[in-house]
Amino acid sequence: DAGVIQSPRHEVTEMGQEVTLRCKPISGHNSLFWYRQTMMRGLELLIYFNNNVPIDDSGMPEDRFSAKMPNASFSTLKIQPSEPRDSAVYFCASATGQNSYEQYFGPGTRLTVT
Amino acid sequence: SQKIEQNSEALNIQEGKTATLTCNYTNYSPAYLQWYRQDPGRGPVFLLLIRENEKEKRKERLKVTFDTTLKQSLFHITASQPADSATYLCAQGSTGRRALTFGSGTRLQVQP
Repeated sequence: DAGVIQSPRHEVTEMGQEVTLRCKPISGHNSLFWYRQTMMRGLELLIYFNNNVPIDDSGMPEDRFSAKMPNASFSTLKIQPSEPRDSAVYFCASATGQNSYEQYFGPGTRLTVT
Repeated sequence: SQKIEQNSEALNIQEGKTATLTCNYTNYSPAYLQWYRQDPGRGPVFLLLIRENEKEKRKERLKVTFDTTLKQSLFHITASQPADSATYLCAQGSTGRRALTFGSGTRLQVQP
């Protein structure tokens, strides 16, 4: 398996622009997580899905952030409008959703908002 | 709210020695703790999971302990190698909730 796939790997955009990050989880995994990592705040959960349904979005910073999972093999995280404080590395992770709890992380998307 | 605390200072040790990293949690006892390794520019990689009813878990040169009295988990790497140099993250989870709360990580540097 190719592992969790994220795109793009790097994104540089100007303040006010819309940004869409994409994730393809490992096939057969039914839990998907979006995290954000910064030096100041570390690795924080934004939202997670189970069987394509959002279970916990309490970590989503504000209404500018939205996430969707239209099917078991694809998820998006959208920021509109983007702000410089959104600059971070965004990770997607997936898990089997069964008795094992370990998560498999993608390579991340480094977002820079100028 | 639950917090996970790791020593933010880097740990420097000599090759061949045992590295010991600490993870402390506050408030309630998590159902399980996980340890991940993260290399620069990469996503975290799962290493070990230990449940609250387990005292110790081992995997090759790695050992994790879980002390619910001290509210602490220790992560050991025996016979450390320069290739073990990375940031190690502790994360806690609760039963029925798969989302993890991560500590800030401890950077380990193994000197040859």
